[in-house]
Amino acid sequence: GENVEQHPSTLSVQEGDSAVIKCTYSDSASNYFPWYKQELGKGPQLIIDIRSNVGEKKDQRIAVTLNKTAKHFSLHITETQPEDSAVYFCAASRGDDMRFGAGTRLTVKP
Amino acid sequence: DADVTQTPRNRITKTGKRIMLECSQTKGHDRMYWYRQDPGLGLRLIYYSFDVKDINKGEISDGYSVSRQAQAKFSLSLESAIPNQTALYFCATSDLRPKETQYFGPGTRLLVL
Repeated sequence: GENVEQHPSTLSVQEGDSAVIKCTYSDSASNYFPWYKQELGKGPQLIIDIRSNVGEKKDQRIAVTLNKTAKHFSLHITETQPEDSAVYFCAASRGDDMRFGAGTRLTVKP
Repeated sequence: DADVTQTPRNRITKTGKRIMLECSQTKGHDRMYWYRQDPGLGLRLIYYSFDVKDINKGEISDGYSVSRQAQAKFSLSLESAIPNQTALYFCATSDLRPKETQYFGPGTRLLVL
């Protein structure tokens, strides 16, 4: 089955800096790649997603890039703010089978 | 997401006890899922259901069972709880289009002593 690896496991940045989280996947048939943000005491919430027919997608300060050949995708957060502090999960899916990365705890220092 | 609710939010139980975690949704979605979250392991799928008559095992179904009582309700049972089932459990739903986008409940924190 699909295996998703996520790095780093923890990331600390200064407010205003950029943050990058990277994921690799093993199944070349995966075609949907969402990113979830989990705040303390809450369930994961979708923040951005990308499909395999697109190389990059941007939504305000958040962007995701996908390299199908290398089977990796990344989340980029620019101009980080303290409210961006959370655990972020990547996932890879083909049809009904979605596998998640282990998560990255992002801390944005004021 | 307030459209997906889970009860209880916290539960402490003893080894060997039977417990049930419940999930309800008002999103009108056909697809429902149960995941468990452990530190350093992310989210792992336990069971999923595409409609009331359809139940499927996920990655880690051993020791768990589920019941889809209605389109809006999906319950997870631990027939005889053991300490390594201590985890955070999440219910999620998705619609047919896009079927991959999942909406998560707030989670149930379970401690098995």
